Amino acid sequence: NAGVTQTPKFRVLKTGQSMTLLCAQDMNHEYMYWYRQDPGMGLRLIHYSVGEGTTAKGEVPDGYNVSRLKKQNFLLGLESAAPSQTSVYFCASSYSGEANEQFFGPGTRLTVL
Amino acid sequence: GENVEQHPSTLSVQEGDSAVIKCTYSDSASNYFPWYKQELGKRPQLIIDIRSNVGEKKDQRIAVTLNKTAKHFSLHITETQPEDSAVYFCAAYPTLSGNTPLVFGKGTRLSVIA
Repeated sequence: NAGVTQTPKFRVLKTGQSMTLLCAQDMNHEYMYWYRQDPGMGLRLIHYSVGEGTTAKGEVPDGYNVSRLKKQNFLLGLESAAPSQTSVYFCASSYSGEANEQFFGPGTRLTVL
Repeated sequence: GENVEQHPSTLSVQEGDSAVIKCTYSDSASNYFPWYKQELGKRPQLIIDIRSNVGEKKDQRIAVTLNKTAKHFSLHITETQPEDSAVYFCAAYPTLSGNTPLVFGKGTRLSVIA
């Protein structure tokens, strides 16, 4: 039981490049989330999904796109990376959106030059 | 929508002393209040949570209290140890907002000085 995993762990991009971050969970959770955490800052929700095939915007969705084609995977895309997107990205999942624990992945550290 | 305020943003205590972190929320319908701990370079992990039908919950050295009337809840850590040093996040679940996820506070950086 791996829990929530994220790929890659680290990435350096140049401004304007694109990339996709992959999140996978093996707990059969319905809900999945993408957060970003800037140095010394809290967690800001980018996008989330309440089930396979669904996505919704969070607090800071601009510049990002997501897809949930399979229940166990949640992809976060950056079409044209900007230095302001330098951050640590955490994926999380939960059994449902109600009063249930969110399980976080180990994070992806992204630097955009 | 729900808004969660967390105080203080930083807290330093001597080893063995107690630490208290406070959060207020705006949506009176919120019914679930978890606390997450994030050690340096690690992922956030749930350490304790409380639901709106109880006023206090304890787990060894940590406890959470909830005051629904005042719309605030607090994390109490007793006999602090160096390994308690971390960032702590409170959160609230807004039950009447459909599928809206947890709303997190901005975090408190706790330093336990040996």
